[in-house]
Amino acid sequence: GQNIDQPTEMTATEGAIVQINCTYQTSGFNGLFWYQQHAGEAPTFLSYNVLDGLEEKGRFSSFLSRSKGYSYLLLKELQMKDSASYLCAVRPGGYQKVTFGTGTKLQVIP
Amino acid sequence: GAVVSQHPSWVICKSGTSVKIECRSLDFQATTMFWYRQFPKQSLMLMATSNEGSKATYEQGVEKDKFLINHASLTLSTLTVTSAHPEDSSFYICSAAAEKLFFGSGTQLSVL
Repeated sequence: GQNIDQPTEMTATEGAIVQINCTYQTSGFNGLFWYQQHAGEAPTFLSYNVLDGLEEKGRFSSFLSRSKGYSYLLLKELQMKDSASYLCAVRPGGYQKVTFGTGTKLQVIP
Repeated sequence: GAVVSQHPSWVICKSGTSVKIECRSLDFQATTMFWYRQFPKQSLMLMATSNEGSKATYEQGVEKDKFLINHASLTLSTLTVTSAHPEDSSFYICSAAAEKLFFGSGTQLSVL
């Protein structure tokens, strides 16, 4: 089976940095995704990691360690609009179904 | 990036009626599409995998006779909620598989 864990909720201050962790245990591995989802909207793609290391894209960075079954999403210079749920998702292999974690609801406060 | 079009965006129907949701990949061919359901404050739950030209694969606990999936072409998959009941009210999202997973905009279904 697939098991993906991430914190349920987090709160951070505008302008600060926040790290959202994700641990996974899956039958195979062919990539880890991070998505952002605002309430009532579909998820939007943030990042995709298939090799170990850090991928940086503007204010957002994503890290992967396959040996540890661990990833994190790093958000810098937080803005109020970053308040959303952040979903970690793992693809076991090929174009097989992607399994989502429960999501982390991030609240950015002034 | 790739675009997936889903409609309707929202639908209100009476209990017992059927509702069809369409999912189209606009600029790429998607041999595989996925249908997810999301209840308030919960994450996405995979309902079924839709494969072009073959029967859909349903996740455990999802009634295949209630949630009919048709993937007749490489760009279109449809989900029909048959005999809808209030407990079927949810946010339904389709996605198309390429290197990444591209999502439709979602359909909010409310069954009265």
